Amino acid sequence: QVQLQQSGAELVKPGSSVKISCKASGYTFTSYDMHWIKQQPGNGLEWIGWIYPGNGNTKYNQKFNGKATLTADKSSSTAYMQLSSLTSEDSAVYFCARLKRRAPDYWGQGTLVTVSS
Amino acid sequence: DVVMTQTPVSLSVSLGGQTSISCRSSQSLVHSDGNTYLYWYLQKPGQSPQLLIYKVSNRFSGVPDRFSGSGSGTDFTLKISRVEPEDLGVYYCYQGTHYPWTFGGGTKLELK
Repeated sequence: QVQLQQSGAELVKPGSSVKISCKASGYTFTSYDMHWIKQQPGNGLEWIGWIYPGNGNTKYNQKFNGKATLTADKSSSTAYMQLSSLTSEDSAVYFCARLKRRAPDYWGQGTLVTVSS
Repeated sequence: DVVMTQTPVSLSVSLGGQTSISCRSSQSLVHSDGNTYLYWYLQKPGQSPQLLIYKVSNRFSGVPDRFSGSGSGTDFTLKISRVEPEDLGVYYCYQGTHYPWTFGGGTKLELK
């Protein structure tokens, strides 16, 4: 069965960076895009971008250009998202999700990022 | 960006009852390839969203036939019949036709 296991909650300082991981299992990692989504309380869901682990191609929501960087390690079937220059606006739950037919089908459990001094 | 507007924002329903949620997009969701990439998700309390309906009206694997999707162009509806306790949570529509892909604001389904 498809599983996406995300790394644990992070408490980080303003101005710093954080890297979240998403380990995939139960399917061929290099055959599906991986999608990243942001959820802030009361603000719904925002699409950040996707990466195709097969060749490293990426597509970003322009809003997150310069904020999020997506990478993938084929050898460990793990996708990563690095968030930089963190502010309180980046405090949120971040999900990875497998992409199929231009939409997420299976989702990770979410990683809470809290930006606070 | 395509704005996805869901109505109502919240909904109260009796167990065993029927209800529907509307989702309207600010642009047609028909892609140049002929497909309409409109999806529905349910996020139960404390969980990740789960896919219910893909491409307007197709139920995802394991989704009961109590859930049905319909619509075209810019107007879409999710219907839930014979509501059960596990149906409670926040429902989101999502479009994958136009970049950036966007979600609706959500509809919270509660018990009456």
